[in-house]
Amino acid sequence: AQSVTQLGSHVSVSEGALVLLRCNYSSSVPPYLFWYVQYPNQGLQLLLKYTSAATLVKGINGFEAEFKKSETSFHLTKPSAHMSDAAEYFCAVSDPGVSNKLIFGTGTLLAVQP
Amino acid sequence: DAGVIQSPRHEVTEMGQEVTLRCKPISGHNSLFWYRQTMMRGLELLIYFNNNVPIDDSGMPEDRFSAKMPNASFSTLKIQPSEPRDSAVYFCASSLPGASYEQYFGPGTRLTVT
Repeated sequence: AQSVTQLGSHVSVSEGALVLLRCNYSSSVPPYLFWYVQYPNQGLQLLLKYTSAATLVKGINGFEAEFKKSETSFHLTKPSAHMSDAAEYFCAVSDPGVSNKLIFGTGTLLAVQP
Repeated sequence: DAGVIQSPRHEVTEMGQEVTLRCKPISGHNSLFWYRQTMMRGLELLIYFNNNVPIDDSGMPEDRFSAKMPNASFSTLKIQPSEPRDSAVYFCASSLPGASYEQYFGPGTRLTVT
């Protein structure tokens, strides 16, 4: 069965610093991969997705993620953190052709310090 | 498009009462998902529908929970009788047919059972 692991339930960075949120998946076939962001008291919003096209995926708000099959990873990065990036981030994976449900990670809460 | 619509946004009820949460998916989306989010258990998939048919309800916690989708534009999640441990934020999400499985989330219903 598919699974996804997010390393670090809490990450704190300074404003202007690099953001790196880690996600690893388990799959015997290339999956579809997603990053969602959840701001306080809101629903989840799609940040970016990988669907077997380019391995480097660019999303909204300056975020990007790189699919690395050899490492089964899909880490999320942003070169320079902004205060407005403070939120919870979820990695999710699906099995194309198996079902259209997503398996979500446990989330990483990003704090941005001034 | 208005996005996924959920009502009510907040619900406070007493233990033993019936609670009904409502969801209107994005027009044209044929898959609908109900999730529950708590601090302790994170984001859990309760049930999902394809073309108004329940496909996987293995996440429904117990018989007190039931979900219906009488047509393509409306779904309900009912809890009867409600218990304090049901307090959570309940999200509805929908997705397009044959797409890359990305889901669009509603704003959620915050349920408090006293």
